[in-house]
Amino acid sequence: GAGVSQSPRYKVAKRGQDVALRCDPISGHVSLFWYQQALGQGPEFLTYFQNEAQLDKSGLPSDRFFAERPEGSVSTLKIQRTQQEDSAVYLCASSLMSATSYEQYFGPGTRLTVT
Amino acid sequence: AQTVTQSQPEMSVQEAETVTLSCTYDTSESDYYLFWYKQPPSRQMILVIRQEAYKQQNATENRFSVNFQKAAKSFSLKISDSQLGDAAMYFCAYREISGTYKYIFGTGTRLKVLA
Repeated sequence: GAGVSQSPRYKVAKRGQDVALRCDPISGHVSLFWYQQALGQGPEFLTYFQNEAQLDKSGLPSDRFFAERPEGSVSTLKIQRTQQEDSAVYLCASSLMSATSYEQYFGPGTRLTVT
Repeated sequence: AQTVTQSQPEMSVQEAETVTLSCTYDTSESDYYLFWYKQPPSRQMILVIRQEAYKQQNATENRFSVNFQKAAKSFSLKISDSQLGDAAMYFCAYREISGTYKYIFGTGTRLKVLA
């Protein structure tokens, strides 16, 4: 596609429910990032994939957060047993990571509200 | 650890005037990348301008330019001839040359453009 897409755009979950957020990166982009953006804050890094390999998951706030990218393209961020503090916008970004192209391209985000 | 600081939570500018948004960062690295991203209410982060730390020349993109002061670890964004469409949240971001390539964002500056 022309850009990074994310679905759903909005998700309301009751506390304790599991949610799955999807990211479709730009075709050919080997690097994929997930960020969490709390209200009024800048995005904070969650995890990074290079192709299907998850090379950094240091930003995942707890073991309830899990991300995968099994075929090196689409990625899913899963949150188990959601808590109110998980309410945020989850941004996905992809990057070509070549010598001349290293900026990240962001999707529109998924706004998660945990009630 | 690297940090990025945006000390102006909100700025206002009259249409057609010039405004400067401030950003400072802390790092022990000598080579890195710096970015300014714009986030309108639609939430899609859009790259405004990027700067490689090894380049002394300040980056420019049409009405947008930066003042990069490496020794002072300062990276301000100047918007000339401000337009109503420039109204958005602006985030400064830092990225290492190597490693995870994750972005470290500041907390953002909300820019209002007055007609």
